[in-house]
Amino acid sequence: DTEVTQTPKHLVMGMTNKKSLKCEQHMGHRAMYWYKQKAKKPPELMFVYSYEKLSINESVPSRFSPECPNSSLLNLHLHALQPEDSALYLCASSLQVGSGNTIYFGEGSWLTVV
Amino acid sequence: EDQVTQSPEALRLQEGESSSLNCSYTVSGLRGLFWYRQDPGKGPEFLFTLYSAGEEKEKERLKATLTKKESFLHITAPKPEDSATYLCAVQAAFSGGYNKLIFGAGTRLAVHP
Repeated sequence: DTEVTQTPKHLVMGMTNKKSLKCEQHMGHRAMYWYKQKAKKPPELMFVYSYEKLSINESVPSRFSPECPNSSLLNLHLHALQPEDSALYLCASSLQVGSGNTIYFGEGSWLTVV
Repeated sequence: EDQVTQSPEALRLQEGESSSLNCSYTVSGLRGLFWYRQDPGKGPEFLFTLYSAGEEKEKERLKATLTKKESFLHITAPKPEDSATYLCAVQAAFSGGYNKLIFGAGTRLAVHP
């Protein structure tokens, strides 16, 4: 079962709000990722967690704050976002961080910042 | 610089009309090439992983092949439900030690009855 579950599916938030996106996988994967995807563009990597530790931050603004409470869960905390942050946010996981490992994506959370 | 180019950008087929999508890559030490299917408003769905030139994988009407410079996704007798964006991505050998996927821009496939 290659399933990554994301909640909520849709989120509308104001620029002064604080909200969180949640992600869960039960495949025993030890690498988890956040990607951002704009319309008609490929996904862009934001963060990589390996064994619950942040290993890569692709120069993401601090208004995005990731958290990995345990090996199955990944959160993305959102605060003071801008309208240009509106996008599809994808959580993904793989068995390990390292070349050759297949990355499996969730269905995504559609974020609209108003 | 590592790069992935997909062609065509968009493809319109009649139901049953077979065709191929192309993914050309320039990467220092390929560690894996991945094909995903993405429906509008949803996350990419994994299709295939290819690791070495000459490798082929099949799933229903789809067949992926790999050479040293490119990969093809062959679609045989497509149906309207095959309509989606198909994304190709590669992993290079020295990507900062982590699993960074370098994506192509995708091919938007529309299959009409």
